[in-house]
Amino acid sequence: DAGVTQSPTHLIKTRGQHVTLRCSPISGHKSVSWYQQVLGQGPQFIFQYYEKEERGRGNFPDRFSARQFPNYSSELNVNALLLGDSALYLCASSPFPGSYNSPLHFGNGTRLTVT
Amino acid sequence: DQQVKQNSPSLSVQEGRISILNCDYTNSMFDYFLWYKKYPAEGPTFLISISSIKDKNEDGRFTVFLNKSAKHLSLHIVPSQPGDSAVYFCAAITQGGSEKLVFGKGTKLTVNP
Repeated sequence: DAGVTQSPTHLIKTRGQHVTLRCSPISGHKSVSWYQQVLGQGPQFIFQYYEKEERGRGNFPDRFSARQFPNYSSELNVNALLLGDSALYLCASSPFPGSYNSPLHFGNGTRLTVT
Repeated sequence: DQQVKQNSPSLSVQEGRISILNCDYTNSMFDYFLWYKKYPAEGPTFLISISSIKDKNEDGRFTVFLNKSAKHLSLHIVPSQPGDSAVYFCAAITQGGSEKLVFGKGTKLTVNP
């Protein structure tokens, strides 16, 4: 079975630009979460979506937004990029929120570099 | 304010010996704890978890211990193998809310042959 897939794997953008990152969850998983991992830190929660609705939001500015589509795939959008947005962006899926017997499955991430 | 702390950035052990990775937390609302392992260029992969109603959970070579009164958990790997070399993240969650995992900064484990 395919795991969580993310695209692109690497991306270089300039300050002020906009970026869209994409994620396809494991088949049958309806919940998608996004995390940001800055070098030397652990992943930090950005958003969680379930059944196309936002279920949780982390402490990130409004420049960050996301959505989930009917096929449960998801996009993360970041506007007005700053140098500090350079990070590994991880997408994770689970069958449904609170499925603690089936913990989050992470993709390999998108490495975003802002210059 | 870091709610999950892994105070050892790195740990080096010999193959066959025990690896002990530690994690402390400050939020008493956390009621489920997980360990993830991460290799370079890959996403974190789930390793083992423990509910706050337990004090030990074992899965093969991996055992997690939870001391609620001390707000401390540890991951034991016995015996350690070179393939265990990776960054290990401790994470915590409050059930009933969104799937907001709170991660520590990670400990880089190196198992020497």
